[in-house]
Amino acid sequence: NAGVMQNPRHLVRRRGQEARLRCSPMKGHSHVYWYRQLPEEGLKFMVYLQKENIIDESGMPKERFSAEFPKEGPSILRIQQVVRGDSAAYFCASSPGTRTDTQYFGPGTRLTVL
Amino acid sequence: SQQGEEDPQALSIQEGENATMNCSYKTSINNLQWYRQNSGRGLVHLILIRSNEREKHSGRLRVTLDTSKKSSSLLITASRAADTASYFCATDYYGNNRLAFGKGNQVVVIP
Repeated sequence: NAGVMQNPRHLVRRRGQEARLRCSPMKGHSHVYWYRQLPEEGLKFMVYLQKENIIDESGMPKERFSAEFPKEGPSILRIQQVVRGDSAAYFCASSPGTRTDTQYFGPGTRLTVL
Repeated sequence: SQQGEEDPQALSIQEGENATMNCSYKTSINNLQWYRQNSGRGLVHLILIRSNEREKHSGRLRVTLDTSKKSSSLLITASRAADTASYFCATDYYGNNRLAFGKGNQVVVIP
């Protein structure tokens, strides 16, 4: 049973470019969460999605960031017009359902903005 | 300040010794979880303790929860070099699957 998959593992972008981060949840999991980790910090919640629905995006910056979890395919976290401050590790987690407490994390995507 | 604050921040011990780290939180919770993160890797779920539980064991791990003091501790017994990692506590105090993480404890186990 494959775990949560994220790609790419490392992503380098120049300021102003777009970054697309992908997350495939564990088999049978319909809930996806995105977190951001700055250097020497803990993870900060960004967004919680179910298939075709955004449940909670209260942790997402108001501009440039968007997330989706389509009916088919992986969840996508999209950052437009990246700035140096977006450099961080972005982790995706999944869980089977709302009442399941444990979230299973992927290996993360490390975004570097030059 | 941030929900979930581990103490101490960094710990260096000899292999075979026990490692204890603490976490405090500020509001009521449904559960508290501990995760491990090896350098540059993802998070591995270690243990979950619910608000009505006081102590839980999993292998060499022992977690306690004191809801009156809003604190939790993670004890790793008979540490091994492979236990070298950062350890994070996380609470679901929002009650809607949003996990709030502390800044983490760095543990270095010297062989």
